[in-house]
Amino acid sequence: DQQVKQNSPSLSVQEGRISILNCDYTNSMFDYFLWYKKYPAEGPTFLISISSIKDKNEDGRFTVFLNKSAKHLSLHIVPSQPGDSAVYFCAASASTDKLIFGTGTRLQVFP
Amino acid sequence: DVKVTQSSRYLVKRTGEKVFLECVQDMDHENMFWYRQDPGLGLRLIYFSYDVKMKEKGDIPEGYSVSREKKERFSLILESASTNQTSMYLCASTSRIELNTIYFGEGSWLTVV
Repeated sequence: DQQVKQNSPSLSVQEGRISILNCDYTNSMFDYFLWYKKYPAEGPTFLISISSIKDKNEDGRFTVFLNKSAKHLSLHIVPSQPGDSAVYFCAASASTDKLIFGTGTRLQVFP
Repeated sequence: DVKVTQSSRYLVKRTGEKVFLECVQDMDHENMFWYRQDPGLGLRLIYFSYDVKMKEKGDIPEGYSVSREKKERFSLILESASTNQTSMYLCASTSRIELNTIYFGEGSWLTVV
């Protein structure tokens, strides 16, 4: 049973526009959410996180939004750049429990 | 900077062989993890360890075992490799106080023929 779902396996966005990556979860006990970015043949790297006490966290071009009632979070990248092309994983945890990862969304930013 | 090092980046093994994937971290992290990444399936947890000589099954432990004899080292063992274990394997670590900040190695591509 997939507790963290990324329903869009891929997304294609023009350079300079906004990229919106979505993630849904089912476990209401999750209280911490993260986004990771992964290039081919490399390990995932941490991008941005949000605690369940917040509904928004911003870091430069990256903003994560959390809608607890809908059990939904999203990552906004604006403006998108070609170097943002990668696979993005959302992840969630319940307090000190292990991280549960989504299936990933492949973002392609074209010129 | 935290460094998680996976000793083998690319391996090709035959069906039935015993395979060892080694992982070392240099930040004195208590927690270590092994994941595999497959297209459309994301990152799936195989095994994890919260301390030396401790191990816990993840979501897909079948066909795998692990060893944590030293704090910095966490080994994944495929007792008898099969073609459905062809995948990218990722090792990761976290500290006990920053459990949600997980650091990954670069990955090991395993092909079983």
